[in-house]
This record gives sequence, structure tokens and C-alpha cells, in this order.
Amino acid sequence: DTGVSQDPRHKITKRGQNVTFRCDPISEHNRLYWYRQTLGQGPEFLTYFQNEAQLEKSRLLSDRFSAERPKGSFSTLEIQRTEQGDSAMYLCASSLGLAGGPADTQYFGPGTRLTVL
Amino acid sequence: TQLLEQSPQFLSIQEGENLTVYCNSSSVFSSLQWYRQEPGEGPVLLVTVVTGGEVKKLKRLTFQFGDARKDSSLHITAAQTGDTGLYLCAGGGQNFVFGPGTRLSVLP
Repeated sequence: DTGVSQDPRHKITKRGQNVTFRCDPISEHNRLYWYRQTLGQGPEFLTYFQNEAQLEKSRLLSDRFSAERPKGSFSTLEIQRTEQGDSAMYLCASSLGLAGGPADTQYFGPGTRLTVL
Repeated sequence: TQLLEQSPQFLSIQEGENLTVYCNSSSVFSSLQWYRQEPGEGPVLLVTVVTGGEVKKLKRLTFQFGDARKDSSLHITAAQTGDTGLYLCAGGGQNFVFGPGTRLSVLP
């Protein structure tokens, strides 16, 4: 198993453009998470999926953000009409998703660094 | 809302020194993870602790989960330059919550 992968690793875009990021989780993991991390801060939770169902969305996730996991495998995160404040590292993580399990450890991908000019 | 605090925020030490960083909360967590993150990369899991009072060792790193499962510490013995990085704690429960991290610099 190669772990969690994310594509692209870096994205530079102009304000107002749409961008889409992809995350491929560890194959047997049921849960998939998206986070945003700005310089000097810890990751901030955005949303997570249990299989194909999006179970929770943070208030950080404005209407310009949408995430999908159509077949319960890979996921995409789209940002529409990007703003300079969207510049950050977008991290994806996956976990087994053990029901009621206390130690549902998340494993992270390398992240996609977005720069909005 | 569950929140995690980490201290110190920054730490710069000489190679060979010992150090301890802390992760604290007023909330109880079902588990707690420690990660290390290097610039431009995602966090890499170091350890998961789930039982109050649990101590885990990973080579020169010793992790402890508080008895009440509200806090944790990471102790590094004889730090090496390769230990440099951002150390993040994260609490498991209803949601996964990260602390702001401790940025460690180990100087040769």
C-alpha cells in the first residue's frame, strides 16, 4: 500500500478561477477527511466522508467549497471563484472508520499547496 | 467545542539536549495522536495513545497520556537535528481536533 496520495502537489491560480484537488485514500479505509492548514497553524477540519456519504462540514467550508466522494474511494475538493484568502495547504487524510472505535487514527497525504494570486 | 493547546509554541535547542512539549485541553479525548510535520509535507503519525496514564516509547521519544485523558506530553531524549519539525497533537472523539503545534529546531 502506498498511503494517501494527493494531486496536484502545488497549484497556482488567479483570483476568481476554479480549482479542483484529488485525494486517493488508503484502499481499505472507509473515512476520508479534508483539512486546510495555513502557515504556522495546525490543520483545520473542513469535512469528512464515511464511504460516499459526507457526514460533517465545518463552518469554514463556505458555499464556494464542495467535496465529493462518489464511489467511496477517491475524493475531490473543488473551490469556486478562488480568493486570496484561500491560499493554504489542503490536506487529505483517511482512516479505517471503526464504528465507535476510540483510536480511529488518521493518516495524511502530502497535501496540495494552493496559491491564489 | 473541543480545543487543544500546545506549549511551547517554539523551541530551539542544541543537539544532545532533552526536551518536553505539552498538549493540553479542558476536554476529554477518546484518543490522542502525535504527528510530526516537515515543511511542505503532510503530518506523519508518530503515536496513538488511548488509555489514561498510558506511556509509549518510540526510540528516543516518550509519549504520555494524562490519567484524565485531557493532556499529553512528548519527551525527546538526546535530540538530533533530524528531530527538527512541527509537532502536532490531535484529539480523537466526535471530531478530530488539532493543536497549533510546537515548532522544534535542533541546532548542530
